[in-house]
Amino acid sequence: DVKVTQSSRYLVKRTGEKVFLECVQDMDHENMFWYRQDPGLGLRLIYFSYDVKMKEKGDIPEGYSVSREKKERFSLILESASTNQTSMYLCASSIRTGAYNEQFFGPGTRLTVL
Amino acid sequence: AQSVSQHNHHVILSEAASLELGCNYSYGGTVNLFWYVQYPGQHLQLLLKYFSGDPLVKGIKGFEAEFIKSKFSFNLRKPSVQWSDTAEYFCAVKGNTDKLIFGTGTRLQVFP
Repeated sequence: DVKVTQSSRYLVKRTGEKVFLECVQDMDHENMFWYRQDPGLGLRLIYFSYDVKMKEKGDIPEGYSVSREKKERFSLILESASTNQTSMYLCASSIRTGAYNEQFFGPGTRLTVL
Repeated sequence: AQSVSQHNHHVILSEAASLELGCNYSYGGTVNLFWYVQYPGQHLQLLLKYFSGDPLVKGIKGFEAEFIKSKFSFNLRKPSVQWSDTAEYFCAVKGNTDKLIFGTGTRLQVFP
């Protein structure tokens, strides 16, 4: 089974702190994704990576950056956390373009910024 | 631009009732369509998917969905819901990139 793990289930940070969210997948997938999930808004894509060191902005990249130094690991960075970044963050992975590339999701990190 | 609409934001049913959740998308090309489910406290997981062929797709736990190309729809159905189907359901579409576009989700509550 594909396994996507995220470093924390719950995280509480203060405004202005630098925050790192880590995601690891064990299926050698080329693609990795970071979403945020908010009530009534569904899942919105923050960033997408299709290979090591390659990244592409999603729909809401402002205030975030990402890092992918190894194929299995994709990090989301909040350079200076703000209260409006309080949310559930979901990581996902998939194989590269193909008819059957469904995305597999991690358990999520619920981040609260005080 | 691609978009997905889920018109039912919150659905409340009794056990054994039939379910239909609406999903409409906008995209002019070939699409892949997905329904994901998120049970309380659990991962988002795939319920079913459509890539090509038979437009009636069967998924896990007795769910099915029908792709109607002329209506740009991919509605999710289950003939008889159970309390354990209480969850949030997301429709998603993939066009010619690897990115998924998600709808805003439908929260389903099933009462015994």
